[in-house]
Order: sequence, then C-alpha cells, then structure tokens
Amino acid sequence: QVQLQESGPGLVKPSETLSLICTVSGYSMSTDSYWSWIRQPPGKGLEWIAYMHYGGSSNFNPSLKSRATISLDTSKNQFSLKLTSVTAADTAVYYCAREWGRTVDYWGQGALVTVSS
Amino acid sequence: DVVMTQSPLSLSVSLGQPTSLSCRSSQSLLYSDGNTYLSWFHQRPGQSPRRLIYRVSNRDSGVPDRFSGSGSGTDFTLTISGVEAEDLGFYYCMQGTHWPWTFGQGTKVEIK
Repeated sequence: QVQLQESGPGLVKPSETLSLICTVSGYSMSTDSYWSWIRQPPGKGLEWIAYMHYGGSSNFNPSLKSRATISLDTSKNQFSLKLTSVTAADTAVYYCAREWGRTVDYWGQGALVTVSS
Repeated sequence: DVVMTQSPLSLSVSLGQPTSLSCRSSQSLLYSDGNTYLSWFHQRPGQSPRRLIYRVSNRDSGVPDRFSGSGSGTDFTLTISGVEAEDLGFYYCMQGTHWPWTFGQGTKVEIK
C-alpha cells in the first residue's frame, strides 16, 4: 500500500519561503512515477501546484508565477516543495500525491500551512 | 486554464435515494491518445480526497458499485444509485487532459 506523509513548518511569515517534504512508503520513487503537490485553501477547492517525474522532468502551474520548485530525493524516497515570497493567499492545506495516468491515485493526509506574521 | 463547473453546489439527499452530480468542462477533455481524463474524488470533512472514478467511468478498487461515472467531451456525471450515510462530504471532478490540471469547485452532499 502506497502511503505519503507531508512534513514541515505549519507557520510561515509573509515574504518568506514555504518548505514541505513528502515521505513516500510502500513504493520506490526510483521506478517510473510522477509526484505532485496540490493545495486547498481553507473552505475552498483544490489547486494543482506541480508534478515531477522520477527522471527529473517537471511541470508547474503558471498561476504560481515561477515561485514554486519541486525536487526528488529517491535515496530517501522523498520529494519536496518550496514556494517563495509567500502571502496570506498561500495559506492552505498542502497535499503531496502520486500522479498516475493524469490523475491522483494516492494522497497524503495534508499539512496546513498558515502564512502570517 | 480549463474551467470545471460542477452543479449543483450542494444537495440534500435521503438515505437510499439516487442522485446525480454534474461536471462540465470549458474545453473537450478528449486527449490525443483517445482517452478522456476525467476523474471524480470524494472528500469527507477533515480528510484528504479519495478517488472514486478515473477516465470517466472506471471505478477504483474498493469503491462501492453504487458509484458510477459517465459522459464524454465536456459533459460528465457521477451517479450514486442509493445514497448511504458515509457518502456525505464534497465531491470534486478533475481534468487531466490540459495542463494545468484543474478541479471543479465541488458539490457538497448532505444527508437528509
């Protein structure tokens, strides 16, 4: 059974960088796979942030205006998200997920990140 | 971006009654490989989403057969043949044909 778990600070100050790590178990990230970050502002819908292939290619939602980076560490079976210059609008539950066939089949439990001074 | 429009935004259903949720896309979701990448997810309060249906009508393992998906092009439907108490929550459609992949705003299902 594939499991994903997000970790990282729950509070980030405006203009600083949000950093999250997703630890994957039950599946080797060194095999052909795609890994994603998706977010959900409180009381709102879901927004796909980015995905990355285990081989290194990636794709980002243009709405993030180049503020997001994603990286994989297959030796640790982890991948990460960094979002720079955050504002209150970036307050959300951040989910890591496995993308498979242009959809998500496994989700993490989600990590609430609040942007506030 | 492809806009996914769900309707209704909320509905209240009696236990055992059937119901249908609609999802419409602003562009056709038929991809060049012949597949239509439309998925449905269910999210209970405080939980992460769970996929129910992928590629319009394929039910995920473990998903009860009271859930079914249909549609083509820009018009899609999730049908619950007989609502059970555990079905409450939000339902989201999602398209994976055009990047960035996008979700509908959700339909909230309440039990009467």
